[in-house]
Amino acid sequence: NAGVTQTPKFQVLKTGQSMTLQCAQDMNHEYMSWYRQDPGMGLRLIHYSVGAGITDQGEVPNGYNVSRSTTEDFPLRLLSAAPSQTSVYFCASSLAPGDTQYFGPGTRLTVL
Amino acid sequence: EDQVTQSPEALRLQEGESSSLNCSYTVSGLRGLFWYRQDPGKGPEFLFTLYSAGEEKEKERLKATLTKKESFLHITAPKPEDSATYLCAVTSGGGADGLTFGKGTHLIIQP
Repeated sequence: NAGVTQTPKFQVLKTGQSMTLQCAQDMNHEYMSWYRQDPGMGLRLIHYSVGAGITDQGEVPNGYNVSRSTTEDFPLRLLSAAPSQTSVYFCASSLAPGDTQYFGPGTRLTVL
Repeated sequence: EDQVTQSPEALRLQEGESSSLNCSYTVSGLRGLFWYRQDPGKGPEFLFTLYSAGEEKEKERLKATLTKKESFLHITAPKPEDSATYLCAVTSGGGADGLTFGKGTHLIIQP
């Protein structure tokens, strides 16, 4: 198993550009989530999904969009990038809500 | 609202010098408490899940314990390769709202 994979590893955007961060898992996990990690702060939940076709907002959802068309994939879309979205983004998955979550390697995003 | 506080923020130990990291939490209905290890530039790596007060889990030089208000990560005779940031997180209720993380403890083990 590859576990949780994320692409790209690094990305630089200009303010106003849009992009999609990719996340995939091969463990047949129903629950998937996106977090951002900023210096001096704990990881914060952006969006989550309890299964294909079902998504919901986390603590910091503004400026981000998600969809879950398959069990394996959970992409995160930045609609119009802002410097405040400069961060490291982690995708995670678990068998079910509340179970142990396994994290991907992260995407480091810089918005200029 | 779930809250997690980790202490100390940073800890420097000599190789072989045992110590403990603290994770204090406030939740309404703890579903699980999780410990992760994070190396620079990497994603969090799962260590332990604890579900109820009194529970303990061990892995090599690490031992995690849980009470109704806090969890401890005990490190016995650490080695330089144990240097990392250790993250504590909780989930409550049905668990769908994801994990609430503390800010982590940055641990350095000097040879």
